[in-house]
Amino acid sequence: GDSVTQMEGPVTLSEEAFLTINCTYTATGYPSLFWYVQYPGEGLQLLLKATKADDKGSNKGFEATYRKETTSFHLEKGSVQVSDSAVYFCALSDWGNTPLVFGKGTRLSVIA
Amino acid sequence: DVKVTQSSRYLVKRTGEKVFLECVQDMDHENMFWYRQDPGLGLRLIYFSYDVKMKEKGDIPEGYSVSREKKERFSLILESASTNQTSMYLCASRPYNSPLHFGNGTRLTVT
Repeated sequence: GDSVTQMEGPVTLSEEAFLTINCTYTATGYPSLFWYVQYPGEGLQLLLKATKADDKGSNKGFEATYRKETTSFHLEKGSVQVSDSAVYFCALSDWGNTPLVFGKGTRLSVIA
Repeated sequence: DVKVTQSSRYLVKRTGEKVFLECVQDMDHENMFWYRQDPGLGLRLIYFSYDVKMKEKGDIPEGYSVSREKKERFSLILESASTNQTSMYLCASRPYNSPLHFGNGTRLTVT
């Protein structure tokens, strides 16, 4: 079945550092890809998405590009802030009504 | 803004109790989902529903059941709570071909 693998955490960075969180997927079709973020004490929020190959999703300074040839959707941000400290989840869906499949999450801590 | 409301943020129950976790969404979404979240395991799908009175098993349905009598409400039921069901439970909804919207979660402790 479909699956998502993302880098293990926790990741600790200093403020203004460059962030990459790796995500690769296995899917039989052409899924849509998502990054969700979970701030402490809250549910998950959609951060960005991409629905087809070579699409770039972006939001709040975060970016991820749908790479079909490497089955990847790595999350990047050029300069992280303390407020970016959260758990980040990569996910895929065959769209329609099907449930999302999530990675295990990567905890990011940004220190001032 | 879509609102998915879970009735309790924290619950403490005893082993063997029947537990109801309630979830309500206000945007007329067809699809609703229950996940549990555990450290190191990420989110795992318990049950989902495409429409009223419809339900589908997810990856870990054992020990759980669900009820969807109205479109906006999706309840997760632990028939006889056990300590290994101590977890964070997340409800989510989505319309067709759109991203998921999550509630804030219910942290359940079974003692």
